[in-house]
Amino acid sequence: AQKVTQAQTEISVVEKEDVTLDCVYETRDTTYYLFWYKQPPSGELVFLIRRNSFDEQNEISGRYSWNFQKSTSSFNFTITASQVVDSAVYFCALSEAGSGGGADGLTFGKGTHLIIQP
Amino acid sequence: GAGVSQSPSNKVTEKGKDVELRCDPISGHTALYWYRQRLGQGLEFLIYFQGNSAPDKSGLPSDRFSAERTGESVSTLTIQRTQQEDSAVYLCASSLWSGPNQPQHFGDGTRLSIL
Repeated sequence: AQKVTQAQTEISVVEKEDVTLDCVYETRDTTYYLFWYKQPPSGELVFLIRRNSFDEQNEISGRYSWNFQKSTSSFNFTITASQVVDSAVYFCALSEAGSGGGADGLTFGKGTHLIIQP
Repeated sequence: GAGVSQSPSNKVTEKGKDVELRCDPISGHTALYWYRQRLGQGLEFLIYFQGNSAPDKSGLPSDRFSAERTGESVSTLTIQRTQQEDSAVYLCASSLWSGPNQPQHFGDGTRLSIL
């Protein structure tokens, strides 16, 4: 069965520091999709990125970057020059193509609470 | 356009009562999902609909939980004879269709507190 592990429960850094959130996943499927979501204090989950298992290119979007490594089953998320507004809980999630479409929903990690101190 | 809308935002009820939670997906989204998030935990998948069909109900925690969807529109999650362990935030999400590569767009959730 699929599993997503976010070992870091909480991270606290000072504004402008770089921070990396770890995500390790387990799946027996060869085709799968990985997602990152942000949950700010207001509570609504915001979709950040999707990556499919055949695309190991790293991606950069502004201060955000993602490092996907199949060899280590990891999909880590780095925020460069962090800002107070980045404070939130970040979730990594996995969806397997063999699950029959949306049958199993997304499998979420337990989230990492990121605190950016001014 | 409008996002996923959930109501009520908060619900406090006594143990043993029935509750009904509502979700309005993004217009045009055929797939709809329900999740439960307990305090400090990740999201637990409950059920999904493709159109008004729910192919797999095995994720529902017990037979006190049921869900319905009208066409490709509103869905309701009903919890009968609520227990204190049902206290959680119930999140609804929708996507264009139910494929595994589809990003799901979430509502603000309903915070359910069972006294």
